[in-house]
Amino acid sequence: DTEVTQTPKHLVMGMTNKKSLKCEQHMGHRAMYWYKQKAKKPPELMFVYSYEKLSINESVPSRFSPECPNSSLLNLHLHALQPEDSALYLCASSQASSDYGYTFGSGTRLTVV
Amino acid sequence: DQQVKQNSPSLSVQEGRISILNCDYTNSMFDYFLWYKKYPAEGPTFLISISSIKDKNEDGRFTVFLNKSAKHLSLHIVPSQPGDSAVYFCAASANSNYQLIWGAGTKLIIKP
Repeated sequence: DTEVTQTPKHLVMGMTNKKSLKCEQHMGHRAMYWYKQKAKKPPELMFVYSYEKLSINESVPSRFSPECPNSSLLNLHLHALQPEDSALYLCASSQASSDYGYTFGSGTRLTVV
Repeated sequence: DQQVKQNSPSLSVQEGRISILNCDYTNSMFDYFLWYKKYPAEGPTFLISISSIKDKNEDGRFTVFLNKSAKHLSLHIVPSQPGDSAVYFCAASANSNYQLIWGAGTKLIIKP
């Protein structure tokens, strides 16, 4: 298994909703990442987990809450989002946080209405 | 301040010819460079990388060249194939920092 699987692929949510994005990999990678990508822009790093511990939070608003239940799973909990948070949310993993050959998931296309 | 620049938003190349994608950077502390390829509605796929101690790295049809004095790198794809049509991102990192600094991307279109 050489994939990073993200669910759901598409999500529409209201500004008062609570939802979660899920990411899963079974490659034994010990670093996992959340990125946000707006149209025609490069991906922006949000969070880095290394050995299931949050090691980087790139000043992301608290309405985004990451969680790493185990070495294969990464969640992103969403609450009270704004329309400008609409974007493609990408999960990635790598052998270690110092390894840059990331494997990216296909992403979740989030629309906040 | 854009530390990694891809000045060509798009590039059109005939199938079978060479595609050359360029990337310039300003931070002399960058010591590792990567190229990613992205299809619509998919995540970026790692293509090839190069360390600052090298000036060339080759993997099949893909070759990355690094010119440190000019702070310039390029990705050569030979021969170009229709499946190469995608957006290509250049990214860089400094001193094993976790964060990659990304270029804005170049959309490559391979014409039949």
